[in-house]
Amino acid sequence: AQKITQTQPGMFVQEKEAVTLDCTYDTSDPSYGLFWYKQPSSGEMIFLIYQGSYDQQNATEGRYSLNFQKARKSANLVISASQLGDSAMYFCAMREGGAGNQFYFGTGTSLTVIP
Amino acid sequence: DTAVSQTPKYLVTQMGNDKSIKCEQNLGHDTMYWYKQDSKKFLKIMFSYNNKELIINETVPNRFSPKSPDKAHLNLHINSLELGDSAVYFCASSQALRVFKPDTQYFGPGTRLTVL
Repeated sequence: AQKITQTQPGMFVQEKEAVTLDCTYDTSDPSYGLFWYKQPSSGEMIFLIYQGSYDQQNATEGRYSLNFQKARKSANLVISASQLGDSAMYFCAMREGGAGNQFYFGTGTSLTVIP
Repeated sequence: DTAVSQTPKYLVTQMGNDKSIKCEQNLGHDTMYWYKQDSKKFLKIMFSYNNKELIINETVPNRFSPKSPDKAHLNLHINSLELGDSAVYFCASSQALRVFKPDTQYFGPGTRLTVL
């Protein structure tokens, strides 16, 4: 089974609108971390936001927030007030607390912000 | 003062050659990784080192050999390069595994390898 599933290969959003990028995960480890990365066309991988499995509140970082629904095993990224510079690939990732150092990545979602 | 650096950024070479990609991190992290990103943007882990010891060695050809002279460096050497090795290779690092708080992984800028 896939550890991380991103079902949206491509998304479009109007500038200044909010957009949600979906991510579901699969683990039996009670301790894990969920991450979102942005990869613009220039190629670098930029860390955006982190959610720990024991965190009580949803993580927020500026315009990014993580909608963490533990029972559903989902960790959707919400970008508010989209900007043209948000156009990029977005990767969801997970690291399990007890299973070594491996990070699992999803296949990514390509977001295009339309002016 | 780049956190994770890789050299070179671009590498173009002929099939059959041997090449190396260097990676250094100045974050004081204990764990370093190599990933391969193919043309479809899929990220695949290749290796992980923790304090110079190999922790993860995914199914990659043994033409790929990581070398970690110290915990701040993890170099990737590739022998007998093939066309299918063309990809972007990312180095990354993270703090040592802590059971109750898995740590963020920080990436280098990537090395775009093209094999002709």
